[in-house]
Amino acid sequence: DGGITQSPKYLFRKEGQNVTLSCEQNLNHDAMYWYRQDPGQGLRLIYYSQIVNDFQKGDIAEGYSVSREKKESFPLTVTSAQKNPTAFYLCASSIDGRKGEQFFGPGTRLTVL
Amino acid sequence: AQTVTQSQPEMSVQEAETVTLSCTYDTSESNYYLFWYKQPPSRQMILVIRQEAYKQQNATENRFSVNFQKAAKSFSLKISDSQLGDTAMYFCAFTGSWGKLQFGAGTQVVVTP
Repeated sequence: DGGITQSPKYLFRKEGQNVTLSCEQNLNHDAMYWYRQDPGQGLRLIYYSQIVNDFQKGDIAEGYSVSREKKESFPLTVTSAQKNPTAFYLCASSIDGRKGEQFFGPGTRLTVL
Repeated sequence: AQTVTQSQPEMSVQEAETVTLSCTYDTSESNYYLFWYKQPPSRQMILVIRQEAYKQQNATENRFSVNFQKAAKSFSLKISDSQLGDTAMYFCAFTGSWGKLQFGAGTQVVVTP
């Protein structure tokens, strides 16, 4: 089955620790995205990548980092510099990163203890 | 900057009835895409319908249809014959030439028996 997978589903982090959220897609999409969702709010773009080995900051990139070494994978690291990381994180992909629709993974819920 | 506004935080509708969700957006671009996404309690983001700005015909997907008024920058979603499974948060989203999705704050739809 083609789709987007995210792992883990739930993640707990102690303050001061870096954590990495996984996102994999087998849709052969060029573009991938990371969003953050806070309670009662819409999605905000953290980072996006339109091709392998290239990525751009979104609206709220501070305290986050990404890599895009493979077309299928776009991991997100939440660093200790992110002051309020508790949120729901969604990964998405689209065919060419221009104007097509984005398809979403099931999300990761990150909680800082 | 592009903005997307959803002015209805919550809407309640009875089964089999019709509900209309409003969305307005602001952009200086002439060619863009608009979307409605649904996020049920599982939190999976699901594409409901898409509209290309250069197409005058309103998009329709089964019980879901849009009223796209380009001059007014309005993009409302009509859900006909509402079902319990339609209970979800609905997000309006816009993407322009840069390919990034801009989301509204969402409208919670509650379908009651």
